This record gives sequence, C-alpha cells and structure tokens, in this order.
Amino acid sequence: ILNVEQSPQSLHVQEGDSTNFTCSFPSSNFYALHWYRWETAKSPEALFVMTLNGDEKKKGRISATLNTKEGYSYLYIKGSQPEDSATYLCAFIMNTGNQFYFGTGTSLTVIP
Amino acid sequence: ETGVTQSPTHLIKTRGQQVTLRCSSQSGHNTVSWYQQALGQGPQFIFQYYREEENGRGNFPPRFSGLQFPNYSSELNVNALELDDSALYLCASSPRGTGELFFGEGSRLTVL
Repeated sequence: ILNVEQSPQSLHVQEGDSTNFTCSFPSSNFYALHWYRWETAKSPEALFVMTLNGDEKKKGRISATLNTKEGYSYLYIKGSQPEDSATYLCAFIMNTGNQFYFGTGTSLTVIP
Repeated sequence: ETGVTQSPTHLIKTRGQQVTLRCSSQSGHNTVSWYQQALGQGPQFIFQYYREEENGRGNFPPRFSGLQFPNYSSELNVNALELDDSALYLCASSPRGTGELFFGEGSRLTVL
C-alpha cells in the first residue's frame, strides 16, 4: 500500500496570517507531485505540477517546494485571505505508471 | 473552452443495483480518469482511459468497469452495488496520462 500523507488534517488561521502544510510521499520511484485546491461545491483545480528535486513554484501568494530525496513537499500561503479557504490535496505519481496517489487533504479555513 | 462535466450530480440506489455515471472531457483532452472519494478519504484511482482503451487500473473489483467513446467522453459502470460504494465519484481529463488533471464537480452516489 502506497502512503501519501498530508498534515495537518485541518487548520484555522486569521486573515493575514501565513501558513504552510506538508505532503509526504515515498522517496523512491518518483515521477511527479501535484497540488490541487478544492473549494466547497466546486471541482479540484491544479495549483502546481512539480517534477524536479528542489523545484520551487509560485502563484501569487501561494508557493510550493519539493524534496524528492526525502519525500516531502511544502505548500505555503502568505497573508492568507478568506478566499484561500479550501481543501488542499497533493497527489504523487510514480515513474512506473500513470496512477495518481492522493493524500487525504488539508482543510484550511481563513477567518476574516 | 468547455470544462469537464459529469452527470448525474446526485443519485440514490439500493444495494445490488447497477449505476452508470457519465463524464464529458475537456476539449482536446484524450485521457480520462475516474476517482472514488469516500468520506474522510482522498480520491482513490479507479482507472484511466486513453483513446478508448483502459490504460491503468487501481485496486477496484471487476464490477467497476468503464468505457471511453470516440469523442473522449467516458462512462463509469458499477454493478451489484454495495453500501461501501457510497461516495463521490470524480472524473478528470488531461491532455496526457500524467499531466495536470482537470476535474468535474463529481457525482455523489448513495447506496441504501
């Protein structure tokens, strides 16, 4: 069984706070790591596709880093806003197939 | 550009019945994947279709089957429904097997 773990499971932050959460995945057979944002009553949307060890990606106030040797990725949100409230999912893809292994997600609530 | 659409959005079935869920992929995408998200879990890979052929399958029994049509739309069929099949079923299309996923809003199945 392949484990992709996300922590924390949920968190509540005040508007303006910065926050980060973790995705842990196997350090072998790495192909790619995706981050998705899933707002309530909508469909998940891709934030980042990361493929290289040491990758750093940024989209506005959101950024992500990748360490394939130790098997983790961090997602950072700077100056959280209420519209950042969502569940953030990571998905690990092995180099031996096309299956996406999703974590259970981190539910973020930003309090105005 | 039309996004991924799924139907129906909600349905209720009884144990032992059969269900068909439908998905229209995003324009230009030839790959469709299906995921099951049970309560408290991350999305679990059911299978992927590429150019009308099954192109990878997760750990689901044969009563979960699918089709992809020449226009790249897809169906998920589940026979002999069980209570544990109650879940949100997500369809995602992509321009290639391991590329960014574009999700529909899901079909929520309740099995009584």
